[in-house]
Amino acid sequence: GEDVEQSLFLSVREGDSSVINCTYTDSSSTYLYWYKQEPGAGLQLLTYIFSNMDMKQDQRLTVLLNKKDKHLSLRIADTQTGDSAIYFCAVPSGGSYIPTFGRGTSLIVHP
Amino acid sequence: GAGVSQSPSNKVTEKGKDVELRCDPISGHTALYWYRQSLGQGLEFLIYFQGNSAPDKSGLPSDRFSAERTGGSVSTLTIQRTQQEDSAVYLCASRQTYNSPLHFGNGTRLTVT
Repeated sequence: GEDVEQSLFLSVREGDSSVINCTYTDSSSTYLYWYKQEPGAGLQLLTYIFSNMDMKQDQRLTVLLNKKDKHLSLRIADTQTGDSAIYFCAVPSGGSYIPTFGRGTSLIVHP
Repeated sequence: GAGVSQSPSNKVTEKGKDVELRCDPISGHTALYWYRQSLGQGLEFLIYFQGNSAPDKSGLPSDRFSAERTGGSVSTLTIQRTQQEDSAVYLCASRQTYNSPLHFGNGTRLTVT
């Protein structure tokens, strides 16, 4: 089955850029997602990219997809303290309609 | 309705008791998923409903877990004879089509004492 890996922690200073990385094993032509989870809440969809794209920009968020290396990244420009949360990437298990989630990257933003 | 609604938000139960967790998906969403999130872990897939098709139960951890979806809308996840290792946050999500983003509820935090 699909295996999705993320580093567990990232610490940055307010105003810096944050880059959260995700690697996966299966490939399929579909959407790949980034979600944000704040304490005590469910997962909130941040952005997504279709597998035929290399990059997608949405305000402070930039998603990069390297299909050859099976690597997905999320860049947050001008990181704010309100961006502190856990970030999950989600990749559909090859050929199925069931997204597999990474373990999440806890982003800590220092003032 | 605005989003996916789950109830209760918190549930404390004694080991051995049965529990039912409810999910109201977004109106018109044909697909519904249950995931489990344990402390420090990612999301573990449990079960997936798509329209009137038979559900994909491949993620259910044991036969103590079951789920149904009535009328293509509301879903109930039932855990029988709860164990302490069942303590987790149970998340429900729905999506409009097979390829559209999942929309999550806020989850039910289950604590088995």
